[in-house]
Amino acid sequence: EDQVTQSPEALRLQEGESSSLNCSYTVSGLRGLFWYRQDPGKGPEFLFTLYSAGEEKEKERLKATLTKKESFLHITAPKPEDSATYLCVLAETSYDKVIFGPGTSLSVIP
Amino acid sequence: DTEVTQTPKHLVMGMTNKKSLKCEQHMGHRAMYWYKQKAKKPPELMFVYSYEKLSINESVPSRFSPECPNSSLLNLHLHALQPEDSALYLCASSPQAGLEQFFGPGTRLTVL
Repeated sequence: EDQVTQSPEALRLQEGESSSLNCSYTVSGLRGLFWYRQDPGKGPEFLFTLYSAGEEKEKERLKATLTKKESFLHITAPKPEDSATYLCVLAETSYDKVIFGPGTSLSVIP
Repeated sequence: DTEVTQTPKHLVMGMTNKKSLKCEQHMGHRAMYWYKQKAKKPPELMFVYSYEKLSINESVPSRFSPECPNSSLLNLHLHALQPEDSALYLCASSPQAGLEQFFGPGTRLTVL
């Protein structure tokens, strides 16, 4: 069965303290893995798509990487405005819907 | 235009009311989605439209009725809702079903 888990459930960082969020997945055929950030009461904001193991994408302080079983979202020198819930989402090759992980709630303290 | 828009932003309705949520995108995307999201949970899929045809209904109660009048518009008709249906309703679109989705800001629905 295809599934997505994320860890930790919540993460509290000091401003400037780099860290990584983990997304572990099992899938029969990977179409793509997506990362989103979501602020409270708003729609998820698309960040990255990763298609195959070894792929990396970067945007400002964020870098996403992919292996055959995991994806990491690395946050370098975070700022308070990076505080949000980060969602990992899996797309499998043979159906039209995607699978959401439970999310990691990130708080960056000034 | 790279936005998905949703109206209204907020909706309060009684259990006997009929209302509709509206979603629009002008990115030429051929798949559109409705999600329901409760606090501190990820979005939960309700419906998928692909090329204006309903392709997935996640066993949603019939008091929720989707409609896709054209490739840019998606509606969700609401009737006889229950208080437990109160949630953030999100619309999304993607170039094709199963690809990265772009979400609207959501409609905060409260059922009294």
